[in-house]
Amino acid sequence: GAVVSQHPSRVICKSGTSVKIECRSLDFQATTMFWYRQFPKQSLMLMATSNEGSKATYEQGVEKDKFLINHASLTLSTLTVTSAHPEDSSFYICSARDRGTSTDTQYFGPGTRLTVL
Amino acid sequence: AQSVAQPEDQVNVAEGNPLTVKCTYSVSGNPYLFWYVQYPNRGLQFLLKYITGDNLVKGSYGFEAEFNKSQTSFHLKKPSALVSDSALYFCAVTPHYGNNRLAFGKGNQVVVIP
Repeated sequence: GAVVSQHPSRVICKSGTSVKIECRSLDFQATTMFWYRQFPKQSLMLMATSNEGSKATYEQGVEKDKFLINHASLTLSTLTVTSAHPEDSSFYICSARDRGTSTDTQYFGPGTRLTVL
Repeated sequence: AQSVAQPEDQVNVAEGNPLTVKCTYSVSGNPYLFWYVQYPNRGLQFLLKYITGDNLVKGSYGFEAEFNKSQTSFHLKKPSALVSDSALYFCAVTPHYGNNRLAFGKGNQVVVIP
């Protein structure tokens, strides 16, 4: 099946630093990737839609200057949390849309646990 | 806008018994419906989806789901639950017109008791 990887799986950083999270589709091309945030025991909150070769579309209330998204190729999207603060600590999950025949399904990465001290 | 309701917070079932996780949805037009499972500190794993055709959809690990248009439901079922099925289950919907932004339910914690 379609595989999506995320790196790193876990990161701890100091307040004020920036953290980059990578999302890769390993065996299919993804023109669209999505970034979610998940709080403990809660559902996924869509942060932004990342389109290859164009600007990301952010959901209402998500600061685009704080959460920088780059979708430079058909298999890679990155999320950079700039000037991270403790309230940014969360579980970040990406997904990639497989538009192959009879699929058009989102496949999710394993997630990145961000802890900001 | 589309939405999903998963009315139960937790579903407890004895190992070997049938498992049902309920989901109802609201969407303009025809829906794409999905079930995902999440194990602790992991991403979501795709279980199955309904796009069109047969209302009974079979997926991974022995799970199936039935699309009921009149009741706007897409309940997940497994005839005989395993302890390893204990996890968080999410139902999601997106409309057919292809923006593919999924609306997720709040999730159901399934606990299979040995």
